[in-house]
Amino acid sequence: NAGVTQTPKFQVLKTGQSMTLQCAQDMNHNSMYWYRQDPGMGLRLIYYSASEGTTDKGEVPNGYNVSRLNKREFSLRLESAAPSQTSVYFCASSEVLGGGGYTFGSGTRLTVV
Amino acid sequence: GQQLNQSPQSMFIQEGEDVSMNCTSSSIFNTWLWYKQDPGEGPVLLIALYKAGELTSNGRLTAQFGITRKDSFLNISASIPSDVGIYFCAGQPNLNNAGNMLTFGGGTRLMVKP
Repeated sequence: NAGVTQTPKFQVLKTGQSMTLQCAQDMNHNSMYWYRQDPGMGLRLIYYSASEGTTDKGEVPNGYNVSRLNKREFSLRLESAAPSQTSVYFCASSEVLGGGGYTFGSGTRLTVV
Repeated sequence: GQQLNQSPQSMFIQEGEDVSMNCTSSSIFNTWLWYKQDPGEGPVLLIALYKAGELTSNGRLTAQFGITRKDSFLNISASIPSDVGIYFCAGQPNLNNAGNMLTFGGGTRLMVKP
């Protein structure tokens, strides 16, 4: 099915470990986003990429880095995981930056112990 | 930055009841969107609204774009167990400016008792 694919679905990390969350979309969308979802906090934007070759910080970028590898793929990296980064992470894409409805992936549930 | 206040934060209702939730902002939005997130999944777009005063339906769901452009409402009629989930509103300030991204509300968690 067309859409946004995220891997892995679940991950447990120890404090200080690093990992990369992968995201790929097959809708030929130009813009991609990474959000985190915490209880009672809604969706908070970590980083976004308006188009291939560009990335910008969102509301909560500290502790994260991103790479827009090509038009399809946008990865999120945690260099040194902290318990405060325990969350559910969602990747999303849209045809243009901010335009219309975003398509979301099914999420990565990350626990940092 | 812009803030969207969504209420109520949670609702626990009986199957068959109607549901209303709303989203308000201190600033104007030119697009309002409503998403539903099923447990363990990502949000899925339900309804998009592009004009002040617009009323749009999708099955048992009806959403309205407030006349002031500062609010939006979602109603669900005759709720069923599969309506369970978190409903998010989202607003975009300026349809013509691609630099303005969606702002999301905090969500309304709906629970339905059979």
